[in-house]
Amino acid sequence: GEQVEQRPPHLSVREGDSAVITCTYTDPNSYYFFWYKQEPGASLQLLMKVFSSTEINEGQGFTVLLNKKDKRLSLNLTAAHPGDSAAYFCAVGNTGYQNFYFGKGTSLTVIP
Amino acid sequence: DMKVTQMPRYLIKRMGENVLLECGQDMSHETMYWYRQDPGLGLQLIYISYDVDSNSEGDIPKGYRVSRKKREHFSLILDSAKTNQTSVYFCASSLSIWGDTLYFGAGTRLSVL
Repeated sequence: GEQVEQRPPHLSVREGDSAVITCTYTDPNSYYFFWYKQEPGASLQLLMKVFSSTEINEGQGFTVLLNKKDKRLSLNLTAAHPGDSAAYFCAVGNTGYQNFYFGKGTSLTVIP
Repeated sequence: DMKVTQMPRYLIKRMGENVLLECGQDMSHETMYWYRQDPGLGLQLIYISYDVDSNSEGDIPKGYRVSRKKREHFSLILDSAKTNQTSVYFCASSLSIWGDTLYFGAGTRLSVL
């Protein structure tokens, strides 16, 4: 089955710096990609959903890049602020799967 | 309002006791999931339900069973809980299994002593 590796497990940046979190996956047929944010003690909230057909997706304060050739998904937070401190999880899905495979998460700390 | 509700939020049980975790959603979603989250392991799928009485094992079903008698309600049952089932359990729902967004509940923190 699909294997999803997420790096780094912990990341600390200063306010205003950028932060990059990367997931690599193994199944070339993967089609759905998600980033979720989990604040301490809270549930997972969708940050962005990406389809295989779109390589660059922009949200408010972040960009998601999908490199299908390298099977790599990245989340780039531009100008991080303390409110971005949270755990971030990628998830990968496939039309043939009945599951989404999650990365192990990245704990991001933004230092004021 | 789109919501997944989990009860209880916190639960302490002794080893060997039975545990019932409940999950409800108000979105008429077909698909519902139970995940557990352990430090350093991310989310692991326990069971997935495609609709009423249509359930399938996930990656770690051993020691768990589920029940879905109404579309909006999905229960996770631990018969004779074990200490290694101490974890945070998340219920989620999605419109279908075909790449739709998962909506998560707030989680249940279970401690088995």
